[in-house]
Amino acid sequence: KNEVEQSPQNLTAQEGEFITINCSYSVGISALHWLQQHPGGGIVSLFMLSSGKKKHGRLIATINIQEKHSSLHITASHPRDSAVYICAVRSIYGGSQGNLIFGKGTKLSVKP
Amino acid sequence: EPEVTQTPSHQVTQMGQEVILRCVPISNHLYFYWYRQILGQKVEFLVSFYNNEISEKSEIFDDQFSVERPDGSNFTLKIRSTKLEDSAMYFCASSEGAGALREQFFGPGTRLTVL
Repeated sequence: KNEVEQSPQNLTAQEGEFITINCSYSVGISALHWLQQHPGGGIVSLFMLSSGKKKHGRLIATINIQEKHSSLHITASHPRDSAVYICAVRSIYGGSQGNLIFGKGTKLSVKP
Repeated sequence: EPEVTQTPSHQVTQMGQEVILRCVPISNHLYFYWYRQILGQKVEFLVSFYNNEISEKSEIFDDQFSVERPDGSNFTLKIRSTKLEDSAMYFCASSEGAGALREQFFGPGTRLTVL
C-alpha cells in the first residue's frame, strides 16, 4: 500500500516556468515534510508543515489537512532546481519519535 | 551552519561481512534516525534512537541490524552479516526534539554496495 502518493512522477519544465508538485496521503498526519534530493543523493529539508502555507524564496508549500493534500510550488524555475522532490509525512498513529513515511519522489528537470 | 556528517561516503563489502556506518549528528540534537534508500526506490525508515535506546524500529530493522552511540558524538549502524539486498544508500538524520514538529536534518548518506 502507498500511504503517500506524489504526482507527477517525472516533470520537465523550461526555465522560468511555474512548477507544481502534488502530494496526497491516506493516513492521519501530524506534519508533512518536503525534501529535496540532488543527483549525488544527499537530502535537504525544504519545509515542514502542519497547516496552511509556508514560503521560502521561490518555493511555496501548502497543505490542506481536510483533503489530505499538499503542494510544492516553484516560481521562476531554474536549472539548478533540477532534483527529486520528496514528500514525507509523520503519521499520528505511529510512535512519538518522529519517523517519516516517504513518497516515491518527483523527478524535476528544468531545461535552460 | 551545523550539519550531520556521515562516513564513509561509499562502502563496498563482500556478502556476509559486517559493516559499520558512522554518523555524527548535530551536536545539540537528542534524537537520531537511520533511513535507507534502495536504488530507484523510496526512502524507508529503519530506526529511531533516543536516550541511548531504540525508540522505534521498522520491519526492515531485524536482528542483523544494530545501532549504538558509543562515545556521545558518533551514532553508528551495524549490519552483522550483509546480504546483497542490503545494498542501498543509508541516511542518518537528527533532530533537536521528538515528535512531528521537529525538523529532521539529514546527512549526505553512505552508499553501501554488497558484492
